[in-house]
Amino acid sequence: DADVTQTPRNRITKTGKRIMLECSQTKGHDRMYWYRQDPGLGLRLIYYSFDVKDINKGEISDGYSVSRQAQAKFSLSLESAIPNQTALYFCATRTGTRGSNEQFFGPGTRLTVL
Amino acid sequence: GQNIDQPTEMTATEGAIVQINCTYQTSGFNGLFWYQQHAGEAPTFLSYNVLDGLEEKGRFSSFLSRSKGYSYLLLKELQMKDSASYLCAVRLTYNTDKLIFGTGTRLQVFP
Repeated sequence: DADVTQTPRNRITKTGKRIMLECSQTKGHDRMYWYRQDPGLGLRLIYYSFDVKDINKGEISDGYSVSRQAQAKFSLSLESAIPNQTALYFCATRTGTRGSNEQFFGPGTRLTVL
Repeated sequence: GQNIDQPTEMTATEGAIVQINCTYQTSGFNGLFWYQQHAGEAPTFLSYNVLDGLEEKGRFSSFLSRSKGYSYLLLKELQMKDSASYLCAVRLTYNTDKLIFGTGTRLQVFP
């Protein structure tokens, strides 16, 4: 089945470590997004990409970087993790076809920074 | 700044009807979305409104009033599986495709 997958699903790391979260999709969608979700704050957009050569900052990009290695792959990196980056991270995709609006979310990665 | 308000929690009884409200004050508007999220799972799309009025989809309906900055999600014939968080999100402009999410409304359905 066409799907959005994220690896790892859970990760515990220490302050200062470099972490990469991976997202892959088989939907053939052009647009990909990274969000974080914190209790009481809702989902917040970190970065988004309309294609391999198009990367854009979201609301809260500081401390994060991304790489769009291929249409199907979009990775989020924390260069030097800090405890307030502990959160649930979601990748999402959407087709660029006009009139289609739904974003499809991956299962999430729960990241804990000690 | 961007502001989206939803009630934090609601409770209802199986078989009943519940209305979840969302008000927004944003720098732009190109559509309002409702997503359902069960605990520990990914959000899933429920509805999209860009014009004023009511959109009905099975047991779920969504209403939008752009002049009032207001939307609601109506859930009919509640089932236990409807216990979840319901997220309201506003897309600021079509080109940027940025969604601003509210903090979500946690709905508990009791037998």
